[in-house]
Amino acid sequence: GESVGLHLPTLSVQEGDNSIINCAYSNSASDYFIWYKQESGKGPQFIIDIRSNMDKRQGQRVTVLLNKTVKHLSLQIAATQPGDSAVYFCAEIGGDDKIIFGKGTRLHILP
Amino acid sequence: DSGVTQTPKHLITATGQRVTLRCSPRSGDLSVYWYQQSLDQGLQFLIQYYNGEERAKGNILERFSAQQFPDLHSELNLSSLELGDSALYFCASSERGEMDEKLFFGSGTQLSVL
Repeated sequence: GESVGLHLPTLSVQEGDNSIINCAYSNSASDYFIWYKQESGKGPQFIIDIRSNMDKRQGQRVTVLLNKTVKHLSLQIAATQPGDSAVYFCAEIGGDDKIIFGKGTRLHILP
Repeated sequence: DSGVTQTPKHLITATGQRVTLRCSPRSGDLSVYWYQQSLDQGLQFLIQYYNGEERAKGNILERFSAQQFPDLHSELNLSSLELGDSALYFCASSERGEMDEKLFFGSGTQLSVL
């Protein structure tokens, strides 16, 4: 069935370095993708989104890249800070208009 | 603070029991979504309401039901609880209930079934 998956369940990054979190999706009909951040004890929080007619979108310290050829999505966080520690979920809006969340990648910041 | 309020924050109950989870959406949002989050299943969509009407259904068990009231708050009812129902239950809201909108999540209700 359709699914959104994450390559790495845990990512450890040195403070100050850039983080790259990856996501693969399987539904080529999906046309909208979102990254959410979930801190401990909180609900997921919207970070950035991208539509399928774009291949890159930038926010404040975050960039989302979309490669439709290989059905791959990535979230880049520049100059990673301790406050970036969280679980990051990608989500796709599938052909049936349902939001499908990936299982999440935990980002761990090393001092 | 997302503006979405969920109560209670924690709930401990026994198998076979019934519980009600409550959600107040962000001011101005007409749509409410319920999600279940467990370690092995991730975030699973349960059900969506828009302005009091059911709009979409996901992997919601027949033992579970929900409703959205005229004041737009929503309740998720879980009955005949089983150990496997232990999870974090999130409510989210959005303005129009469209799929291309960002969702605003509450802090969740942690349900423990013993």
